[in-house]
Amino acid sequence: DAGVIQSPRHEVTEMGQEVTLRCKPISGHDYLFWYRQTMMRGLELLIYFNNNVPIDDSGMPEDRFSAKMPNASFSTLKIQPSEPRDSAVYFCASRRTGFNYGYTFGSGTRLTVV
Amino acid sequence: SQQGEEDPQALSIQEGENATMNCSYKTSINNLQWYRQNSGRGLVHLILIRSNEREKHSGRLRVTLDTSKKSSSLLITASRAADTASYFCATMRETSGSRLTFGEGTQLTVNP
Repeated sequence: DAGVIQSPRHEVTEMGQEVTLRCKPISGHDYLFWYRQTMMRGLELLIYFNNNVPIDDSGMPEDRFSAKMPNASFSTLKIQPSEPRDSAVYFCASRRTGFNYGYTFGSGTRLTVV
Repeated sequence: SQQGEEDPQALSIQEGENATMNCSYKTSINNLQWYRQNSGRGLVHLILIRSNEREKHSGRLRVTLDTSKKSSSLLITASRAADTASYFCATMRETSGSRLTFGEGTQLTVNP
C-alpha cells in the first residue's frame, strides 16, 4: 500500500491566487481528514469526511476555504483567494471505521503564500 | 483549543536513556493515541490506548492511561538517535465523533 498520497509537496503562490491541494486516501479507509499545522496554532482539524460526505467543517477558517470528496479515492482542499496567513503545512489523513484505528497521514503540502 | 497538553515541551537525553512524555486532557475520551513526527514529515501513528485500558506496550514503547486524572504517559526505553522527533498525544472524545484533537507536542532530542 502506497499510503496516503498528497500533492503537491510544496506550493509557492502569490497572494490572491487559487490553490488546490490534493489527497488520495488509503483504499478501504472510510474517513478522510484535512489538518493544517503551523508553529503558532499547532495541528488544527479543518474538515473531515465519512464515506465521501462532509461531516464536520467547523474548522474551516472562512469561506475562502472549500473541500470536496467526489469519490472514495480523491479529495481536494481549495483556497481562493489565498492570503499570506494561509501559509502552513496541510496534511491529509485517513482511517478505517471503528474506534480502534489510528490515522494514516500523508507527507503534507507545504504552502507558502507570498 | 487543544485538548491535549504535553509535558515537557522539549526533552534532551543521551542515547540509551529512557524518555518519558506526559499528556493531560480535559474531557472524557474513547481513546488516546500517540504520534511521532520527524522534521518536515507527516505524523506516524505509534500506539492507541482505549479508555478502558490502563497500560499498553509496543516494542520499546509503553503507554499508560489514567482516566481519573485525565492523563497519559509515553515511555520510550533505551532511546536511540533515530527516536529524535516531535511526539504528539491525540484524543478522540466521546462527543466528537471520529475527530482527533492533538496536543502541542514534545520535541525529543536523543544525543548520540
